[in-house]
Amino acid sequence: GDQVEQSPSALSLHEGTGSALRCNFTTTMRAVQWFRKNSRGSLINLFYLASGTKENGRLKSAFDSKERYSTLHIRDAQLEDSGTYFCAAGMSNYNVLYFGSGTKLTVEP
Amino acid sequence: NTKITQSPRYLILGRANKSLECEQHLGHNAMYWYKQSAEKPPELMFLYNLKQLIRNETVPSRFIPECPDSSKLLLHISAVDPEDSAVYFCASSSRQSERLFFGHGTKLSVL
Repeated sequence: GDQVEQSPSALSLHEGTGSALRCNFTTTMRAVQWFRKNSRGSLINLFYLASGTKENGRLKSAFDSKERYSTLHIRDAQLEDSGTYFCAAGMSNYNVLYFGSGTKLTVEP
Repeated sequence: NTKITQSPRYLILGRANKSLECEQHLGHNAMYWYKQSAEKPPELMFLYNLKQLIRNETVPSRFIPECPDSSKLLLHISAVDPEDSAVYFCASSSRQSERLFFGHGTKLSVL
């Protein structure tokens, strides 16, 4: 929705390289989540952050509620990392997540 | 993810009635129906918390949710329209505002 601006909309990486995705929020968000939709169409929850940073393998995410942004860093990209990545965030006591428009990542040999 | 199961996996309909089913084995209190069209982000349709409908998004009346118990969710569809073609995801979280987990989705194709 309008509360979340995600960039870039598309990204192409060669295997072994890395990059970052970013979501900017128009208001203070309580927590952010990152998802990947893989080639099978499944939506996988990668991270849930209320603050700070988290790392999982080659992925690392950061969330700054005060500065109103979150990032997802991918390093040493592999072919299986290809897919569409979505951030989603909610406000205090929210009952709805606001999704970014998605980043289509293509990892090439 | 085999802890949130959805059925059927694929659904091809003419103007018929059908129900989608979802069951979660995570002990979560909140369950959701999302609709995802093409490469767009998921859109929330319905949210149940402890079997109570908390938020009913503005969806066509031909979609009717049902929550028979806290681990199961149904979506009844009647007289589908071509614009309903999409993937319908069931999701759950321990509480409303916590980490969200999706089922594998039901791909609905309307002829």
